[in-house]
Formats: sequence, structure tokens, C-alpha cells
Amino acid sequence: KNEVEQSPQNLTAQEGEFITINCSYSVGISALHWLQQHPGGGIVSLFMLSSGKKKHGRLIATINIQEKHSSLHITASHPRDSAVYICAATNSGGGADGLTFGKGTHLIIQP
Amino acid sequence: GAGVSQSPRYKVAKRGQDVALRCDPISGHVSLFWYQQALGQGPEFLTYFQNEAQLDKSGLPSDRFFAERPEGSVSTLKIQRTQQEDSAVYLCASSLQAAVSKLFFGSGTQLSVL
Repeated sequence: KNEVEQSPQNLTAQEGEFITINCSYSVGISALHWLQQHPGGGIVSLFMLSSGKKKHGRLIATINIQEKHSSLHITASHPRDSAVYICAATNSGGGADGLTFGKGTHLIIQP
Repeated sequence: GAGVSQSPRYKVAKRGQDVALRCDPISGHVSLFWYQQALGQGPEFLTYFQNEAQLDKSGLPSDRFFAERPEGSVSTLKIQRTQQEDSAVYLCASSLQAAVSKLFFGSGTQLSVL
């Protein structure tokens, strides 16, 4: 079973700061997902990546397959970015239970 | 609808009561997943459907949990004789393909068992 670890667990920052959330996993994967969950809301998929880097607006996700590590960056952070960010790994073996979630990073951006 | 819809949004049940949670995936999506999310934790896999076939139910915590997707679209997760430890948010997600693809999540059903 893949072990997915995220850091930090909690992060409070000021508006405008550059944010980095880290995710590491223990076994090979076919894809890594970054998800956003607002309080009381559902989960939104931000990125799915298997190599390199993806960018969408102020969000950037990178992955290093050799190091089994991914990062989610938020540039020019804003209070509306406050949410729980979850990384989830799809194991190389595939299969429905191959998706392992991290516990999430609770991000608060203060104005 | 445009997204994954789950109902009810909130459910309060007395211990021992049976509950049924519904998931309407995005039309045409082949894969459907159920996850259980305890407070402060990441989601945990429960079961997976590819169309109407339940290909994996290894995450269901006990035989009190049952899921179906009879026509390959709407799915129902049923919990019999609910216990307090069943209290959690139950999330449904769907994806277009059977292979690894982007997941679309519903807002979840928050179940509280008293």
C-alpha cells in the first residue's frame, strides 16, 4: 500500500505570500492528483500529473518521479485560496483501490 | 446536471437505523467511486464501479455496507444497522474513463449517527 505524506498539516500565511505544499509517496505511481476541499464543500480536482509541471492560473504543480515527491505552489495567495489541499496517488498497479489520499494540508490565507 | 450530485446533503440517523445515500455521476462517466472521510482525515476508498459492475469492494468496512449501480449511472450506498463509528462524510466521485483519468467529486453526504 502506498503511503502518502503531506506537509505541512496546517499553514497560515498572509495575503500575497507564495505558498508551497509538499507531498511524498512511498511506491511508484501512474498519476498524482492535487485536490481542493472547501469547508462544507465537495472536492475539486486541481491537477492530475504524471511528470513535469502543470500550471493553471496562480496554481503550479510539479512532480519528481525519481524522488517520489510533488509540490503544489500558490502564487500571490488570496483569502479565497483558504481550503484543505489534498494530494492523492494512483498506484502503478492501477485498480480502483490504487488511489491513496494524503491527510490534507489546511491552508488559511489572512487578509 | 453539470457535476456529480449527492443526496441527501446531511443525514442524521439513530443507531441501528438503515440509511441510503445517493450519487448521480456526470452523465456518460464510466467509473464511479465511493469514499469515506472521517473528520480531519483524508478520504478512504470504499468501492468502485465500472458501469454497472462493482469491480472492487475491498474498502467496505463491514457487511453492513452495500453499494449498487444497477443501470450504470446512479449509485446508492446503503448502510444497515448504523453504528456511531459510521459517522463521516461519504463522497462520491466519477471519471469519464475506466483508466486513470480526472476525478470529479460530489459535495458529499455528511452522516451523523446518534
